[in-house]
Amino acid sequence: QVQLQESGPGLVKPSETLSLTCNVSGGSISNHYWSWIRQSPGKGLEWIAYAHYSGRTNYNPSLKSRVNISLDASKNQFSLKLTSVTAADTAVYYCARDDEDGYFDNWGQGTLVTVSS
Amino acid sequence: DIQMTQSPSSLSASVGDRVTITCRTSQTVDIYLNWYQQKPGKAPKVLIYAASTLQGGVSSRFSGSGSGTDFTLTIRSLQPEDFATYFCQQSYSTPPWTFGQGTKVEIK
Repeated sequence: QVQLQESGPGLVKPSETLSLTCNVSGGSISNHYWSWIRQSPGKGLEWIAYAHYSGRTNYNPSLKSRVNISLDASKNQFSLKLTSVTAADTAVYYCARDDEDGYFDNWGQGTLVTVSS
Repeated sequence: DIQMTQSPSSLSASVGDRVTITCRTSQTVDIYLNWYQQKPGKAPKVLIYAASTLQGGVSSRFSGSGSGTDFTLTIRSLQPEDFATYFCQQSYSTPPWTFGQGTKVEIK
């Protein structure tokens, strides 16, 4: 069974960059698509981006100008960077495995990121 | 983006009840509609994908139906562990994938 675990700072200052990493165990990151999703009380669940080992990526247009997703196959992990954060980016951030049909069949436990000075 | 509308936003039900949650999309998603269950403090868990396919390990009291723009999640004989929030999500064509706002199932 694939397991995912997010890591990164729980507090980020406004205008700075949010950086998170998802470690994948029990399976290779070289298969499947890998996504970041966030959840906040105000906006519900929001898909952020996905990446594939082939180099293919896709971003939510609402965040595309501020987001970068990358894979590191040597470490079996993938990462998210979100620049110029504001309080609206405060959310629980999940990493997830994205099946080819676009549903998320494995999730990390989630990590709360608060944007505050 | 494809907009998702779930109804109701919340409901109260008793153990043993049959529960139905609906999800409507702003344009056709064919059968690319997925359902998740989320309990407090936990990540969502996929129950149904491709409108009606039960994810492995999920109880058969959960079922899904629909195609195009109208979909239904049914819980046959609600159990105590089913009290949770349920979300629909579309994965049609190209991203962005989008989610419904959720339906909270509470104990009556």
